[in-house]
Amino acid sequence: GAVVSQHPSRVICKSGTSVKIECRSLDFQATTMFWYRQFPKKSLMLMATSNEGSKATYEQGVEKDKFLINHASLTLSTLTVTSAHPEDSSFYICSARDPYSAGGPETQYFGPGTRLLVL
Amino acid sequence: GQNIDQPTEMTATEGAIVQINCTYQTSGFNGLFWYQQHAGEAPTFLSYNVLDGLEEKGRFSSFLSRSKGYSYLLLKELQMKDSASYLCAVTAGRRALTFGSGTRLQVQP
Repeated sequence: GAVVSQHPSRVICKSGTSVKIECRSLDFQATTMFWYRQFPKKSLMLMATSNEGSKATYEQGVEKDKFLINHASLTLSTLTVTSAHPEDSSFYICSARDPYSAGGPETQYFGPGTRLLVL
Repeated sequence: GQNIDQPTEMTATEGAIVQINCTYQTSGFNGLFWYQQHAGEAPTFLSYNVLDGLEEKGRFSSFLSRSKGYSYLLLKELQMKDSASYLCAVTAGRRALTFGSGTRLQVQP
């Protein structure tokens, strides 16, 4: 099956610093990747849709200058949390759409997630 | 907009069968997904329904009725490792997946 990796898996940083999270599709090319945020015992909330070679589409209420997304290749998307604050602490999960998936072209495969803690 | 409803919690016994329901309201419906998520981990793909009917995959089956805006996930021969959250998600138009709040299933011995 399709495999998506995410790095780092866990990061602790000081308030005011920036943190970059990488999302890679390992065995398929993903023209579209997605970034989600999840709070404890809550469902996933879509932050933005990342399309290779173009600007990301952000969901309402998500600050694009704070959460910078770059999708420079068909296998890599990055999310940079700029000037992180304690309220940004969360579980960030990326997913990639595999257009040739046996589950259908809309099937998304998720990375293992990144747990961010801002002190 | 989109609205997806599923029960918050369910409890079932090891070896039994459990059905997790999901109702949705959306325009431009394309398909419905079920994902499994263990605590602290990312979701894993279980099933995708586009047409009405039942899709069976081992111990897991998923049903869809487009006219009723209704789906269910059926888990047979429950095992302790099936304790997890089960997320119903809908795709519509060109939008990304919209997830329900998830159903936390607790399997008891």
